[in-house]
Amino acid sequence: AQSVTQPDIHITVSEGASLELRCNYSYGATPYLFWYVQSPGQGLQLLLKYFSGDTLVQGIKGFEAEFKRSQSSFNLRKPSVHWSDAAEYFCAVGGVNAGNMLTFGGGTRLMVKP
Amino acid sequence: DTGVSQDPRHKITKRGQNVTFRCDPISEHNRLYWYRQTLGQGPEFLTYFQNEAQLEKSRLLSDRFSAERPKGSFSTLEIQRTEQGDSAMYLCASSLSRRGTDTQYFGPGTRLTVL
Repeated sequence: AQSVTQPDIHITVSEGASLELRCNYSYGATPYLFWYVQSPGQGLQLLLKYFSGDTLVQGIKGFEAEFKRSQSSFNLRKPSVHWSDAAEYFCAVGGVNAGNMLTFGGGTRLMVKP
Repeated sequence: DTGVSQDPRHKITKRGQNVTFRCDPISEHNRLYWYRQTLGQGPEFLTYFQNEAQLEKSRLLSDRFSAERPKGSFSTLEIQRTEQGDSAMYLCASSLSRRGTDTQYFGPGTRLTVL
């Protein structure tokens, strides 16, 4: 069965500092990996995705993520955080074998200090 | 591309009542998914459709839950005899499947509160 672990439930960073959110997955075949962001009471917005090819993927809002197969990880990074980045971030794994139904991690809540 | 829409955005009901939610996917998207998200958790898969066919259902989807997608366009999710444990955000997503890779775009969700 596929699973996703986001080890950090809460992270607080200062505005302008760099950010890395961790994601580890378990999937029996080639994974499709996604990061979504959710503001309070809202739906999920896609930040970036990985299907194949270059293991470093760029997304919206200055985010990037790196797929490391040997570590089963897909960590999200941003070089300089803005106050508007405060939200909940979800990593998800899917694949063609499962009709691409997504399995999500528990999320990481990001707080940004001024 | 107007995005995925869901209606209503909020629903408060009493235990034992039936509720129905609607999802309108992005036009021409052939796949439609329903997820449930409880407070402080990530979304959990409930069911998905490819066109009008319901292809997968989670064990989370009890007999009180039913979903339809007539004509392969909008979808409805009905919960019969609601229980307090059904209180959650119900999220709909749609995608256009291409060679097995597809990206799901989510709607704003319907927040259900069962009193």
